Amino acid sequence: GEQVEQLPSILRVQEGSSASINCSYEDSASNYFPWYKQEPGENPKLIIDIRSNMERKQIQELIVLLDKKAKRFSLHITDTQPGDSAMYFCAANYNTNTGKLTFGDGTVLTVKP
Amino acid sequence: DPKIIQKPKYLVAVTGSEKILICEQYLGHNAMYWYRQSAKKPLEFMFSYSYQKLMDNQTASSRFQPQSSKKNHLDLQITALKPDDSATYFCASSQPGLGEQYFGPGTRLTVL
Repeated sequence: GEQVEQLPSILRVQEGSSASINCSYEDSASNYFPWYKQEPGENPKLIIDIRSNMERKQIQELIVLLDKKAKRFSLHITDTQPGDSAMYFCAANYNTNTGKLTFGDGTVLTVKP
Repeated sequence: DPKIIQKPKYLVAVTGSEKILICEQYLGHNAMYWYRQSAKKPLEFMFSYSYQKLMDNQTASSRFQPQSSKKNHLDLQITALKPDDSATYFCASSQPGLGEQYFGPGTRLTVL
């Protein structure tokens, strides 16, 4: 299968706290997992990604964890700010040759001041 | 300067008509893609091209035809438009394989 499940669909946090989004995938051959942030009326923007040869990656306040055995990966935003409010999508690459990305259904994150 | 250009930004069409969505990228990438986003399916893969060759097609309907006239162009022709085709169509590009994909600004299509 090529489904990517993403939870939660809605996430509200207080400014300064952490936010976590979880995704699971089906095909153990998947080896690339990007995360995109999309603001209303805008295009999805790549914010961080992780490849299957890594378990953890951090870029500033963004942390991505990958558990290949469980076929799960997650995004953690530490010290959230109102500017982090947006839709977030996880994705998995199921076919290295074609570059096809399969996306989760998205998480609407709201950071309350 | 925008590195991926999509034209037009907004498009209104009548049922049964035909439209072409334009995409050009100036990132030096050799792989290009089309994705569709609607209320029903947040981000859905449609096509991928690598070095101007079709690599993957996940669109069941032959009404959708990508066209690559130059290596940095991948247009999308849609024929016999239906209201269900209403969506935002995003073009993306990367280096072939596991390259990071960057999305264009999108074309918002409304079919009446």
